Amino acid sequence: DTAVSQTPKYLVTQMGNDKSIKCEQNLGHDTMYWYKQDSKKFLKIMFSYNNKELIINETVPNRFSPKSPDKAHLNLHINSLELGDSAVYFCASSQGKNYGYTFGSGTRLTVV
Amino acid sequence: AQSVAQPEDQVNVAEGNPLTVKCTYSVSGNPYLFWYVQYPNRGLQFLLKYITGDNLVKGSYGFEAEFNKSQTSFHLKKPSALVSDSALYFCAVRPMDSNYQLIWGAGTKLIIKP
Repeated sequence: DTAVSQTPKYLVTQMGNDKSIKCEQNLGHDTMYWYKQDSKKFLKIMFSYNNKELIINETVPNRFSPKSPDKAHLNLHINSLELGDSAVYFCASSQGKNYGYTFGSGTRLTVV
Repeated sequence: AQSVAQPEDQVNVAEGNPLTVKCTYSVSGNPYLFWYVQYPNRGLQFLLKYITGDNLVKGSYGFEAEFNKSQTSFHLKKPSALVSDSALYFCAVRPMDSNYQLIWGAGTKLIIKP
């Protein structure tokens, strides 16, 4: 019974392609996040939605677009993939500001 | 600028010995403080948090952390290390005026040797 599930787990694709990563949480949390973890393991927040409303939109290329059809889902679409987009992308959710995050297991994106 | 520092890239501890993973922060006001652990090829897992109250907080897997306001630190500790504790540990801070956003440390790799 996975709390935060991401698909796919691995994604290998060519430069210039468009791809999506899906995330779903069954915890009833109000807030969802997308993080990027680079090869040095640094974590960078990309986006956050609270009850389907965008609340954090960090400086990321316009090629990245989040979509939240409902509060249990937050998908990430990436256009025109570049080599530098290769990283592990984590989805997470939380009940509120005072609570810890529950992370998905990550999507390892490799752009060739 | 607000920041979180984990001064050690790597900490090596013998199994059975106590361990400490350090975290200091520079944020305005009284922040909320968190520790997370990441095992190889896995997502991060929440370990513990400090919001208010007792300066010593207990978390998962026998870990605890001590909040020190004067030193702006939130060090993670465990009395007796296990080989299975070997992982990457992240400290994170949420300033009180933050819009849900966490400020993350760079992570500390903990290696427990048998």
